[in-house]
Order: sequence, then structure tokens, then C-alpha cells
Amino acid sequence: GAVVSQHPSRVICKSGTSVKIECRSLDFQATTMFWYRQFPKQSLMLMATSNEGSKATYEQGVEKDKFLINHASLTLSTLTVTSAHPEDSSFYICSARRGLVGEQYFGPGTRLTVT
Amino acid sequence: EDQVTQSPEALRLQEGESSSLNCSYTVSGLRGLFWYRQDPGKGPEFLFTLYSAGEEKEKERLKATLTKKESFLHITAPKPEDSATYLCAVQAEGVTQGGSEKLVFGKGTKLTVNP
Repeated sequence: GAVVSQHPSRVICKSGTSVKIECRSLDFQATTMFWYRQFPKQSLMLMATSNEGSKATYEQGVEKDKFLINHASLTLSTLTVTSAHPEDSSFYICSARRGLVGEQYFGPGTRLTVT
Repeated sequence: EDQVTQSPEALRLQEGESSSLNCSYTVSGLRGLFWYRQDPGKGPEFLFTLYSAGEEKEKERLKATLTKKESFLHITAPKPEDSATYLCAVQAEGVTQGGSEKLVFGKGTKLTVNP
């Protein structure tokens, strides 16, 4: 159990376009979902936390108007990178947690390349 | 100030050569300490959760232990397929985002096991 999927796994887009990434908990209901960004050879950087039905809370320095997060149900969260630029190219990973404490289960990640 | 410090940054072992990875933490009010394995280009895979000092958990060649200041991930007779980056993360009281307690990650230990 505790499987999290992400779609797409890879996406290439042109500068100025928007990209949506989906994160789904397949076999459990996720009270909380998290979005991370990871640069090469670095650890995970938390971008935002979202609870189902509530607005996402963003880490300091993360532009909420650029990285739109929607947590519409207990099994689905989406991250939309708006007006993407080459500097937004990165590995984006979501995670999901059943309750307020306990382990987070991570998706396989989405490699975004903005040309 | 780093709350979670992992050492060493990188470790090379010969197949069958047992060793340990260290994760030291300075947070108070520990809710849980988590170990993950991350392969290149993939999301972290959950390994263990430890909640209190003295707790130990095992899975195949891996054994995680916890004290009040640090955790060890012991690898017994490793195989090349154990090569990965091992991440340690802590969840602590008051370290929140969006009303939820978030994970604070170390920078990871990159383990390479040579055949």
C-alpha cells in the first residue's frame, strides 16, 4: 500500500507556457500533500503544503502566483507552473501523508525542462 | 543552523563490507525520524520510521536505530543494488507549514557498493 503517482514523468515546454503536474495517492486518502523541488545533487526543497479543500501554504521565497497548487480531493493535488521560464527547469516531487503526523510517501517525480 | 546533518556525504563500500550511515538532529520534540532511499531520477522510497530513543527497525540488510541525538542506518553485507542516496528526515513539534508538521531533510549520503 501507500502508492503515490505523478503525471507526467517528463515534460518539455516552451518558455512562457504553463504546465500542470498531477499527484495522486492511489490506495489511501491523503489529508496532506506536499510539493518539493530538487536540483541536481541536492536534497529536497519543500515548496508548499496543501490540505484537502484548503489553500496551499507556501515556503518563504516560493512565488504562489507562479506555482499554483490545488488539492481538490483527498487523493489528488495538482501543481501548475505558470509562465514557465528556463530557471523553472527542475525535478518536481510530490508526497502524501494520511494524517497530520507520520511518514510521507513520495511520487516518482516529474522532470520539467523549459526551453 | 542545520537541524538535520547526515554523514558521510558519500560512502564507497565493497560488496559485503558492512558499514553505518549517521543522521544527527538538533530538533526538540521529535515526532518521528524517517529514512528514505532515493535512486537517481526517482522519488524517495520510504524505508523506516523511528519514534523514540532505543527503537530499532530492520528490513533485509538494513537496520535503523535511534538515540536522543542521532540515528544510524546500518547496512550489513551490502550488495551493488543497495547503491543509492539515503535521506534522513525529522518531524518535530512546532516545525509546521500550513498547520501541518513538515519534514526537515538532511542532505543525504550517497552510497556506492562496488561488486
